[in-house]
Amino acid sequence: EVQLVESGGGLVQPGGSLRLSCAGSGFVFSDYWMSWVRQAPGKGLEWVANIKQDGSETYYVDSVKGRLIISRDNAKNSLDLQMNSLRAEDTALYYCARDLRSRSQFDIFDLWGQGTMVTVSS
Amino acid sequence: DIVMTQSPDSLAVSLGERATINCKSSQSLLFKSNGQNYLAWYQQKPGQPPKLLIYWASTRESGVPDRFSGGGSGTDFTLTISSLQADDVAVYYCQQYYDTPLTFGGGTKVEIK
Repeated sequence: EVQLVESGGGLVQPGGSLRLSCAGSGFVFSDYWMSWVRQAPGKGLEWVANIKQDGSETYYVDSVKGRLIISRDNAKNSLDLQMNSLRAEDTALYYCARDLRSRSQFDIFDLWGQGTMVTVSS
Repeated sequence: DIVMTQSPDSLAVSLGERATINCKSSQSLLFKSNGQNYLAWYQQKPGQPPKLLIYWASTRESGVPDRFSGGGSGTDFTLTISSLQADDVAVYYCQQYYDTPLTFGGGTKVEIK
C-alpha cells in the first residue's frame, strides 16, 4: 500500500526540541521531492519545508528558518523534521506530503500522511 | 510571498446545486513560457489530510469526479462543484506553486443548505 506515516509528535515546552519522522512505503521514496505541511488547530494549511530527492536542496518558510531542519534517509525511506527553539506558534498537526511526480519538482501534493500533533506549551 | 485569498469563507448550497469558490493570488501564477497556471485545489474533510483535486488550475487528479472543475488564469481562479453531493461537505483550499514559499488560501467551508 502506498502510504506515509508520521511519528514523533508530543508536548514540549517553549524553547525545547522535538524530532518528527515520516516513513514512506509502497513507492520509490528516493524519486520524490518531499515536504512538511502544518495545520494549527482549527486553522488552514501552511507549507513548512521541502527537500529534493537526494537531499541536496532544501527550502523553508521564513518563520522556521534557523530553527527547523528537514532531512531524509533514502535507505530507510524516511523523512525527518528536527524542530529546535520551539514556540507556541509552532503548535500544529504536522503532515508529510509527497510531490505529484517522481524525478521532478512540481510542489503539488498527491500523497499525505495522517499527521502528527506537536503542542508547544509550558 | 504570494498571498492567496479565498472567498467566501463559507457557503451553504442545496444538494444538486452548483457551488463556486474563488481564489485570488497577489501576483500572476501564469508562467508564460509554458502557458501553465501554477495553482492547485485540495479538499479536506474533518479528521482527514487534504486530498488533491485539481492542478495546473484545471487538470483534474485521477479518480476525482467530473463534477469538480477548475478555471481561471493569472490571478483569479475558481473551483466549481457542478452538482453538490453530501460527500462534498469539506473545506477547500487553493495553493500556489509558482514560487517558494508555497502558500495556501485560508480555506472555504462548504456545507449543505
